Amino acid sequence: DTEVTQTPKHLVMGMTNKKSLKCEQHMGHRAMYWYKQKAKKPPELMFVYSYEKLSINESVPSRFSPECPNSSLLNLHLHALQPEDSALYLCASSQEGTSGRSTDTQYFGPGTRLTVL
Amino acid sequence: AQSVTQLDSQVPVFEEAPVELRCNYSSSVSVYLFWYVQYPNQGLQLLLKYLSGSTLVKGINGFEAEFNKSQTSFHLRKPSVHISDTAEYFCAVSDLNYGGSQGNLIFGKGTKLSVKP
Repeated sequence: DTEVTQTPKHLVMGMTNKKSLKCEQHMGHRAMYWYKQKAKKPPELMFVYSYEKLSINESVPSRFSPECPNSSLLNLHLHALQPEDSALYLCASSQEGTSGRSTDTQYFGPGTRLTVL
Repeated sequence: AQSVTQLDSQVPVFEEAPVELRCNYSSSVSVYLFWYVQYPNQGLQLLLKYLSGSTLVKGINGFEAEFNKSQTSFHLRKPSVHISDTAEYFCAVSDLNYGGSQGNLIFGKGTKLSVKP
């Protein structure tokens, strides 16, 4: 099973709302990723968790707050977003050896389509 | 830093015709290369990957790609396309040196393949 699930599929929120995106995988992968994808653009990396610790933060604004409660789950907490944050948010996971093998294939979820009003 | 160039933003083709989607990368070190497909309103699905060994890589859905080190290319091909192949295709390279401990995927801008009846 190479499935990564994401909920919700769609989310509409106001600029003062607080919401969370959820991602789950049961492949035993120890690296998990959040990407942001604007229309007609490639995905842009936001965060990487390796063994449940944040290993990469691509200078993402603090209104995005990631959390990795355990090895299967990854959350993205959203607060005070701007309309320009509207995008498809993709979660991915990969096996992660202690050497950080970059040959590990990343498996993507279907994404959450976020609209900020 | 590594980069990926997908030379064609759009490729229209008739059903059952052959297709080639072009991808070039810049790197002076060993690279790992991937092709992902994104169907409308969905996440990314891995088509194929090149890590080492045979330069001709076969993937899912009848796609294949050839790694050419001298031309720094990794073009994707299919001998006969179907309507269902209509999607966005992303070439990606794994950056061995990014972040020191975790490889990172660098995506090209994508090629939209439109298959017409």
